[in-house]
Amino acid sequence: NAGVTQTPKFQVLKTGQSMTLQCAQDMNHNSMYWYRQDPGMGLRLIYYSASEGTTDKGEVPNGYNVSRLNKREFSLRLESAAPSQTSVYFCASRIDRDTEAFFGQGTRLTVV
Amino acid sequence: QQPVQSPQAVILREGEDAVINCSSSKALYSVHWYRQKHGEAPVFLMILLKGGEQKGHDKISASFNEKKQQSSLYLTASQLSYSGTYFCGTGGEWGAQKLVFGQGTRLTINP
Repeated sequence: NAGVTQTPKFQVLKTGQSMTLQCAQDMNHNSMYWYRQDPGMGLRLIYYSASEGTTDKGEVPNGYNVSRLNKREFSLRLESAAPSQTSVYFCASRIDRDTEAFFGQGTRLTVV
Repeated sequence: QQPVQSPQAVILREGEDAVINCSSSKALYSVHWYRQKHGEAPVFLMILLKGGEQKGHDKISASFNEKKQQSSLYLTASQLSYSGTYFCGTGGEWGAQKLVFGQGTRLTINP
């Protein structure tokens, strides 16, 4: 049972490049989330998917797009990376609203 | 909108107690608490649901006052292993799947 798996773990991008962060969970969870973590800012919600086939904006969606490919996978895309998107990105999932969320190990992204 | 946590940082000696507060400007249905060690992913501690119940987890407990839209995390007789950053998460209105977190409280326990 792998839980929540994020790939890649580390990435360096040049300004303007695009990339997709992958997230997969094997716990049959309905809801999935993408957060970014910056020093002093806590965990900020980028996008979430309440169930397969739905996605909604979080607190800081600008510059990002998401796809809920199926129940297991939820990807985050940066179309044109900017230095302000340098951060640690966490994916999380949970069965339902009143249950604990499980986090992946994070992706450390640097945009130069 | 992110809930607001206080204090931002706490430094204690082993065996001392700490309280971390979490408040929201929106009505709350539930409050989550997580702990994150440096370089690791956040790990779940507990969930409190509407009803003002208090929960416990070893020497860590929490309360939730939905009328005041506040929750508090209590760490009793702190251990070195309690060091880390604590986050509260709030689910917002009824039925919502959104989960937003506060800015975190860094707790340092010294021997």
